[in-house]
Amino acid sequence: QKEVEQNSGPLSVPEGAIASLNCTYSDRVSQSFFWYRQYSGKSPELIMSIYSNGDKEDGRFTAQLNKASQYVSLLIRDSQPSDSATYLCAVQTGANNLFFGTGTRLTVIP
Amino acid sequence: DTGVSQDPRHKITKRGQNVTFRCDPISEHNRLYWYRQTLGQGPEFLTYFQNEAQLEKSRLLSDRFSAERPKGSFSTLEIQRTEQGDSAMYLCASSFTTGVGEQYFGPGTRLTVT
Repeated sequence: QKEVEQNSGPLSVPEGAIASLNCTYSDRVSQSFFWYRQYSGKSPELIMSIYSNGDKEDGRFTAQLNKASQYVSLLIRDSQPSDSATYLCAVQTGANNLFFGTGTRLTVIP
Repeated sequence: DTGVSQDPRHKITKRGQNVTFRCDPISEHNRLYWYRQTLGQGPEFLTYFQNEAQLEKSRLLSDRFSAERPKGSFSTLEIQRTEQGDSAMYLCASSFTTGVGEQYFGPGTRLTVT
């Protein structure tokens, strides 16, 4: 059984702060990892992908992967109210479909 | 650049009726996926196609669900004899075959079964 676990939150941070979102997964053969942002009533939007251990930065977003610990995280620097959304962690193994966590709801307080 | 499109965006139907949804993937993508998402949950995989071939179906997908991608372009998802438990957002995504296969989602079809 492949499982992806996230803290459902809600996570509240003040505007300008760093938001830290965490995700653990159970399948050691997982190869690719993704973060999606989902606004209420909308579909998931891909914001980051990571495949190798370490950090990957894209603008205000940094994804971190530690395969030994089966852990992936997303940092959002200089958080803005427009970042308020649910963030979904998704994991892909040898099969092609994605396994999603239940998401972490982030609120950025102005 | 045209993204993934889905039609209709909303569907209200009565229990027992059949419904069909359409998905048009990003034109260069030859993989197409269907997911279902209920409130408070992440998307749940239903099935996927590579070109016109349906390569995988979730064991959770009941016999009332069928999907096609007849010419390797658009896809349809049909639900027969709908039940209230089928109420959900039905999401379509597409990706390239080569590379890491990042999946891009369409806007979804919200189904309400009354």
